[in-house]
Amino acid sequence: DQQVKQNSPSLSVQEGRISILNCDYTNSMFDYFLWYKKYPAEGPTFLISISSIKDKNEDGRFTVFLNKSAKHLSLHIVPSQPGDSAVYFCAASARGNKLVFGAGTILRVKS
Amino acid sequence: DVKVTQSSRYLVKRTGEKVFLECVQDMDHENMFWYRQDPGLGLRLIYFSYDVKMKEKGDIPEGYSVSREKKERFSLILESASTNQTSMYLCASIGQPYEQYFGPGTRLTVT
Repeated sequence: DQQVKQNSPSLSVQEGRISILNCDYTNSMFDYFLWYKKYPAEGPTFLISISSIKDKNEDGRFTVFLNKSAKHLSLHIVPSQPGDSAVYFCAASARGNKLVFGAGTILRVKS
Repeated sequence: DVKVTQSSRYLVKRTGEKVFLECVQDMDHENMFWYRQDPGLGLRLIYFSYDVKMKEKGDIPEGYSVSREKKERFSLILESASTNQTSMYLCASIGQPYEQYFGPGTRLTVT
């Protein structure tokens, strides 16, 4: 049973436009959420996170929104750049150090 | 910067061989993790360790074992490699809060 779901396997966006990556979760005990970015042949790198006590966290071009009632979070990238093309993983944690990852979304930013 | 290194980037092994994957981190982190990444399945936790000589099973431990003799080193062992263990293997250690730092990955092919 997948506790963290990324239902879009891929997303294609024009350079300069907004990219929105979505993630749904089922475990109401999750209290911390993270996004990771992964380029081919490299390990994932941490991008941005949000605690369950917040509904928004912003870092430069990246903003994560959390809707606890819907058990949904999203990552917004504005403006999108070709270098943002990568696989994005959503992850969640429930009062501990173990992370549960989604299947990932491949983002392609076209120039 | 945290550095997590993995002993090999690419490995090709035969069915039935014993395989050792090594991971070293340089930030004195207590928690270390082994994942495998497969298309459409995201990152799945194999084993993790929260201290030297301590280990816990993750979601898919079957066919694997681990060793943590020193704090900085966490090894993943495939006792008898099988073709369904062909995958990308990722090691991670955890900083604060919850942020996992990943190694570059080992692409293992079992023939």
